[in-house]
Amino acid sequence: QKEVEQNSGPLSVPEGAIASLNCTYSDRGSQSFFWYRQYSGKSPELIMFIYSNGDKEDGRFTAQLNKASQYVSLLIRDSQPSDSATYLCAVDTGRRALTFGSGTRLQVQP
Amino acid sequence: NAGVMQNPRHLVRRRGQEARLRCSPMKGHSHVYWYRQLPEEGLKFMVYLQKENIIDESGMPKERFSAEFPKEGPSILRIQQVVRGDSAAYFCASSGGVQETQYFGPGTRLLVL
Repeated sequence: QKEVEQNSGPLSVPEGAIASLNCTYSDRGSQSFFWYRQYSGKSPELIMFIYSNGDKEDGRFTAQLNKASQYVSLLIRDSQPSDSATYLCAVDTGRRALTFGSGTRLQVQP
Repeated sequence: NAGVMQNPRHLVRRRGQEARLRCSPMKGHSHVYWYRQLPEEGLKFMVYLQKENIIDESGMPKERFSAEFPKEGPSILRIQQVVRGDSAAYFCASSGGVQETQYFGPGTRLLVL
């Protein structure tokens, strides 16, 4: 079992819709959770981080964490073509070294 | 520019040569991390350093790879006797003190011929 799992996609949504990206992790001791966006050929760019159970909102982005289910998600409201990228879920088990999922490719159709 | 800086951005080496990748952390950050992204694969942790100390090198290959973060100057990831399988994007990230959030540099794309 992979430590951090994501559906590789592609996830295709129409412009203006809500994109829902999901991630599960195996280490129950995981403490911090991060979502990065990576455009092709570019470096990861931090979108959101979340430490506590529940929802955290920042503009069009909402991160959701459920530690009991070992599940973290990212919602993107009013999706734009510029949101088309690979979204990486990353988990910190307390060692500071991030464990990344393989990423979900999001395509927003104009 | 207060962001994480990496150089060179592209590096071409022949098999058996040495590759040196440099990383300057974001201003105010004292923690540096190196990650490798093989073609069509995810990011893999390699090593975590603070000034003059290697904190966690659990992701470093046992041979040919080394890293340092001297008191003065950038962090350096060194790959000796490169092989074609070392071709990848190498990303450096930095964080500061209590703040755990890691910010990534633009990466160095290494191509081994």
